Amino acid sequence: DQQVKQNSPSLSVQEGRISILNCDYTNSMFDYFLWYKKYPAEGPTFLISISSIKDKNEDGRFTVFLNKSAKHLSLHIVPSQPGDSAVYFCAASKRGTSYGKLTFGQGTILTVHP
Amino acid sequence: DGGITQSPKYLFRKEGQNVTLSCEQNLNHDAMYWYRQDPGQGLRLIYYSQIVNDFQKGDIAEGYSVSREKKESFPLTVTSAQKNPTAFYLCASTAGAYGYTFGSGTRLTVV
Repeated sequence: DQQVKQNSPSLSVQEGRISILNCDYTNSMFDYFLWYKKYPAEGPTFLISISSIKDKNEDGRFTVFLNKSAKHLSLHIVPSQPGDSAVYFCAASKRGTSYGKLTFGQGTILTVHP
Repeated sequence: DGGITQSPKYLFRKEGQNVTLSCEQNLNHDAMYWYRQDPGQGLRLIYYSQIVNDFQKGDIAEGYSVSREKKESFPLTVTSAQKNPTAFYLCASTAGAYGYTFGSGTRLTVV
């Protein structure tokens, strides 16, 4: 049962344009959502997060939007840069979970072309 | 600098062998986790531990074992019962309810 889904395995954009990565979830108990960025042969690094009491959180070039009614969140990167090329994982945590256990999506490979 | 150290970075295992992956953290985090990454499948939880001397199975615990004798250490043993152990293994820790710090991973290959 895949509770967090990233349906696009890959995304290719031009440098300077917007990248939009999408994530859907099925469990309405999830109350906190995170995006991680991962380079090959390295561990993921935290990028940005959002609580279920908000619908938007912004940090520099990165903005995460949450649509609770649709159980959907998205990560916007503007403007995209070649250094943003990586795998992006969406993750979710729920109330009452075992001390912060996260459920991850499958990941989306972002390629930003110069 | 505080962080999580995983070793070795690359590990080769022969058929039928047990191997142990190391994970050490100096962040004073209570909870530690082991994930496995396979292409197209994201990160899947193997085992996790909230406190010393206690741990729980994750979604894919079969063929793996762990121990948590010290707060700083959470080693993962891949046993011969794990039929498809070739993967990238990630250790993580957290101090609170949200968000992980990850190690740099161990690439395990069966030869």
